[in-house]
Amino acid sequence: DQQVKQNSPSLSVQEGRISILNCDYTNSMFDYFLWYKKYPAEGPTFLISISSIKDKNEDGRFTVFLNKSAKHLSLHIVPSQPGDSAVYFCAASERKGSQGNLIFGKGTKLSVKP
Amino acid sequence: DGGITQSPKYLFRKEGQNVTLSCEQNLNHDAMYWYRQDPGQGLRLIYYSQIVNDFQKGDIAEGYSVSREKKESFPLTVTSAQKNPTAFYLCASSIVGLAGWEQFFGPGTRLTVL
Repeated sequence: DQQVKQNSPSLSVQEGRISILNCDYTNSMFDYFLWYKKYPAEGPTFLISISSIKDKNEDGRFTVFLNKSAKHLSLHIVPSQPGDSAVYFCAASERKGSQGNLIFGKGTKLSVKP
Repeated sequence: DGGITQSPKYLFRKEGQNVTLSCEQNLNHDAMYWYRQDPGQGLRLIYYSQIVNDFQKGDIAEGYSVSREKKESFPLTVTSAQKNPTAFYLCASSIVGLAGWEQFFGPGTRLTVL
C-alpha cells in the first residue's frame, strides 16, 4: 500500500510557464516532506522541504505548498526552464519516533519545452 | 570535496554470482541507506544503518546483505538469492537529528545480471 503517491507519471510544460507537481500521502503521522530532482543515471538531489508546522516554503523559483487537511503537497516551479526537465520525487517522513527513513513516491517526469 | 561516492558506475555479473557495491561518504554522517530504483518505480529501501556496527532491514531486504564496520563505508552485497537483481542502486547518507531529515545521494550503480 503506497503511503506517498504521485498520480501523474509525466507532465509537459512550456518554458517560462508554471510547473505544478502534486503529491498525496496517507499517513497522518508524516511531519516532514521533501522534493528531490533526478536526472537519468544520476542520484537524486535535494530540492526543497517543508515541515508540517508550515503551509508554504519558498526557495527561488521553487515553492512547496502543504495542505495537511487534504494530505496533499505540491511543488511549483516558476518560471520553468528546460534544465528543470527531470524526474521529481516527493518523499515524506515521520521524524518523531522514527529513524529518519524517507518514503518516496514513484516520481513525476517533467518535460519543459523551449 | 565532501560527498558520497559509489563504485563502479556500471557493473555486469553472471547469474548466480554474488556482487558487492561500494558506498563511501566523507560527510561525517551517522546514517547511511541503500535504495533500489526500477523503471517507473520510486526508491525502495533495502537496508539502513544509523550507527557503526548496526543496521536494519528496509522494505525489500531479501537477497541482500550489508555491513557497517566504519562510519564512512556501507557496502551492499547482492546475493544469488535476489531474484531480480538488475536495477539502479543508490546509496544515501544523512545526519540523524530533528534539524532535518534530508538524505544526500551518491551517483548510483547500474547493476546488470546476465
